[in-house]
Amino acid sequence: EAGVTQSPTHLIKTRGQQATLRCSPISGHTSVYWYQQALGLGLQFLLWYDEGEERNRGNFPPRFSGRQFPNYSSELNVNALELEDSALYLCASSILHRGLSYNSPLHFGNGTRLTVT
Amino acid sequence: RKEVEQDPGPFNVPEGATVAFNCTYSNSASQSFFWYRQDCRKEPKLLMSVYSSGNEDGRFTAQLNRASQYISLLIRDSKLSDSATYLCVVNAGSARQLTFGSGTQLTVLP
Repeated sequence: EAGVTQSPTHLIKTRGQQATLRCSPISGHTSVYWYQQALGLGLQFLLWYDEGEERNRGNFPPRFSGRQFPNYSSELNVNALELEDSALYLCASSILHRGLSYNSPLHFGNGTRLTVT
Repeated sequence: RKEVEQDPGPFNVPEGATVAFNCTYSNSASQSFFWYRQDCRKEPKLLMSVYSSGNEDGRFTAQLNRASQYISLLIRDSKLSDSATYLCVVNAGSARQLTFGSGTQLTVLP
């Protein structure tokens, strides 16, 4: 079974540019989470999509946005890049099991390392 | 109060020691609990799920205390390779979002 895949692995942008990061969840997983992890810091929750809808977003400015496609893959867009956006961006997928009370575990991709210069 | 809170750490223990981490959660309706391990500059990896009756995987034991709303992770006979950050995850809130604690750093010393 293929795991969560993220692309690109590395991305170098300059201030003010836009970055697009992509994530393909494990087959059958309908939930996709995005996290930002700056060097030496913990995971910061960015966005949660489930069944194509944005279910929640973290405390990030609106220039961080995304979407989930009908095949459950997802895209994270960061506009007007700033130096402090340099971080590892992690995507994870899961199953919410609607109608039941539990979630399956999150499975992470290897991440995209974004460097803003 | 945060939805998921962990021991502040860091924990520095000698090889062979037993170490335990706790994680408290605020939503009494939470049903899914997990422990993850994250190595430096890598993605978190699932260590184990936590079941109501408690569960064990080798040197690792996870327990759930619903009355006090916490989960715990016990590591016996610590190895140098256990050095990592340990994260608890709980499905929190009415939407059942999987929510991470801030993590506890463990360093096992030779």
